[in-house]
Amino acid sequence: DVKVTQSSRYLVKRTGEKVFLECVQDMDHENMFWYRQDPGLGLRLIYFSYDVKMKEKGDIPEGYSVSREKKERFSLILESASTNQTSMYLCASSLSGPSWTEAFFGQGTRLTVV
Amino acid sequence: GDSVTQMEGPVTLSEEAFLTINCTYTATGYPSLFWYVQYPGEGLQLLLKATKADDKGSNKGFEATYRKETTSFHLEKGSVQVSDSAVYFCALSSNSGYALNFGKGTSLLVTP
Repeated sequence: DVKVTQSSRYLVKRTGEKVFLECVQDMDHENMFWYRQDPGLGLRLIYFSYDVKMKEKGDIPEGYSVSREKKERFSLILESASTNQTSMYLCASSLSGPSWTEAFFGQGTRLTVV
Repeated sequence: GDSVTQMEGPVTLSEEAFLTINCTYTATGYPSLFWYVQYPGEGLQLLLKATKADDKGSNKGFEATYRKETTSFHLEKGSVQVSDSAVYFCALSSNSGYALNFGKGTSLLVTP
């Protein structure tokens, strides 16, 4: 079974903290993504990476950074957490190649910033 | 830019009712189209996909046909079950990008 694993299902952090969300995939996929899911807004792309050490901004990168030191691992970093970053965060991965490649998702991390 | 518009929810149906969830898209070129499903407390799973015009994707009794002339990819199921209660997302993957563009999602509740 293909797998994308996010390190935490639920996190509670304080305003101003530096927060790390970790994602690991075991499918040798080139592409990895971080989305944020909010009611009424659907999924919005924060960052993606198409190779080790490569990253591209998505639609809403402000307040976030990412790290991809190894092919299987993609980390999302909240430099200084704020209450408006309370959300569900979803990691995904896909093969490189034709644009119809399926993306596989992790189970999500529900982050609450207090 | 590329975008997906899907019908607002929530949609509430009785078991065995017919389901349609509308999805239209705007894209340059020839995108691939997807329906993803999210069951409560879980991540997204691919439900079905279509990669070119007139293709029909199908899975678990759900179907959707890629209609280029109407830029649509409506999701249908002839007889829904309580276990189909979930949030459904329409998405597209364009030739110009790596990531999927998602609609806002449609929540479906099926009652016994």
